[in-house]
Amino acid sequence: GAGVSQSPRYKVAKRGQDVALRCDPISGHVSLFWYQQALGQGPEFLTYFQNEAQLDKSGLPSDRFFAERPEGSVSTLKIQRTQQEDSAVYLCASSLRQGLGYTFGSGTRLTVV
Amino acid sequence: QKEVEQNSGPLSVPEGAIASLNCTYSDRGSQSFFWYRQYSGKSPELIMFIYSNGDKEDGRFTAQLNKASQYVSLLIRDSQPSDSATYLCAVKLSGGSNYKLTFGKGTLLTVNP
Repeated sequence: GAGVSQSPRYKVAKRGQDVALRCDPISGHVSLFWYQQALGQGPEFLTYFQNEAQLDKSGLPSDRFFAERPEGSVSTLKIQRTQQEDSAVYLCASSLRQGLGYTFGSGTRLTVV
Repeated sequence: QKEVEQNSGPLSVPEGAIASLNCTYSDRGSQSFFWYRQYSGKSPELIMFIYSNGDKEDGRFTAQLNKASQYVSLLIRDSQPSDSATYLCAVKLSGGSNYKLTFGKGTLLTVNP
């Protein structure tokens, strides 16, 4: 596609519910990143994929967070047993190759109530 | 000390003036520096990147890098109300994780008509 597509655009989850956030990167982009942006803050790194390989998951806040990119294109970020502190905008970004700037998707705003 | 620091602002300038946005970083080995613009409720949009010391100009935007002093700045000439947004400075740190961007908190710029 022409840009990075994320869905859903908004998600309201009850505390304890599991959620899955989808990212469809720009076609051919090898690198894919997930970032978390809290209100009034800059994006914080969560995890990085090169094709289907998850090369860095050091930013995932807890073992409730899990990301995958099984075929090297679409990626899913899953959050289990959501907590209020998980409320944030989750941004996906892709890049043609390492070393270039990213293109961000429109994000998913998660609100945990 | 945070790895990337920005004054959160708000920075308020009149229309037609030069807006100057600054960013300092702690990792002396950093090689790549990026400026993103983020409108309220939208995702970050890459506007400039710079790799080497000196200035890089693109239209009304100039990025300046001073590696010895570890700061990077963004100048916006002839500021327009449409430039009102949060400007995020991002740095690729040196070492094994040089694929990810580390962001500052952003500076809110308001251009007054």
